Amino acid sequence: QVQLQESGPGLVKPSETLSLTCTVSGGSISSYFWSWIRQPPGKGLEWIGYFYSSGNTNYNPSLKSRVTISVDTSKNQFSLKLSSVTAADTAVYYCATGQSGDYWYFDLWGRGTLVTVTS
Amino acid sequence: QSALTQSASVSGSPGQSITISCTGTSSDVGGYNYVSWYQQHPGKAPKLMMYDVSNRPSGVSTRFSGSKSGNTASLTISGLQAEDDADYYCSSYTSGSTLVVFGGGTKVTVL
Repeated sequence: QVQLQESGPGLVKPSETLSLTCTVSGGSISSYFWSWIRQPPGKGLEWIGYFYSSGNTNYNPSLKSRVTISVDTSKNQFSLKLSSVTAADTAVYYCATGQSGDYWYFDLWGRGTLVTVTS
Repeated sequence: QSALTQSASVSGSPGQSITISCTGTSSDVGGYNYVSWYQQHPGKAPKLMMYDVSNRPSGVSTRFSGSKSGNTASLTISGLQAEDDADYYCSSYTSGSTLVVFGGGTKVTVL
């Protein structure tokens, strides 16, 4: 069965770039929409954006100027880069997908990784 | 402030039924049958409980049901059990530029 696993630094300094990777195992990344979602401590969920296998991306307008989501099909991974981070970007970051091929709901999630922005 | 509005908390005794509501607008909940619900236990990733308003993913208990009326979607949990004690988030497709919006979450407490 398909599984997702996030990886990346747990600490990032203010103004730097947050970089995370999601490894897809048990399935191919060459189809479906691959999304990132975050959750600040004690708060709700926020959709960051997705990468579609055709190469199309779509980002939350509130983050669009700072976000890049890309895919490395050779490694079966997709990544998130968020630039110019501040303390407000401290959150648990999840990678997720909808195995039916829809992008508006997510039936497969990674365990999440906490990223803290601190000097 | 979340795009979709959920009540902060709902509680019930074991065996009872409770309903969680999620209010949006005609641009999201009211305009499309693309509402989903997630259950989240502390320290865990969200779990999809309902999609496209009333479709239950394989493996989700039949005690969970979804519906929608106008701009408000609802998730009903029947025969409340201790393991239902969790946070629940609604989500919807939106015709706005954000595409996917979430509610602020509802804490369900099993008394």
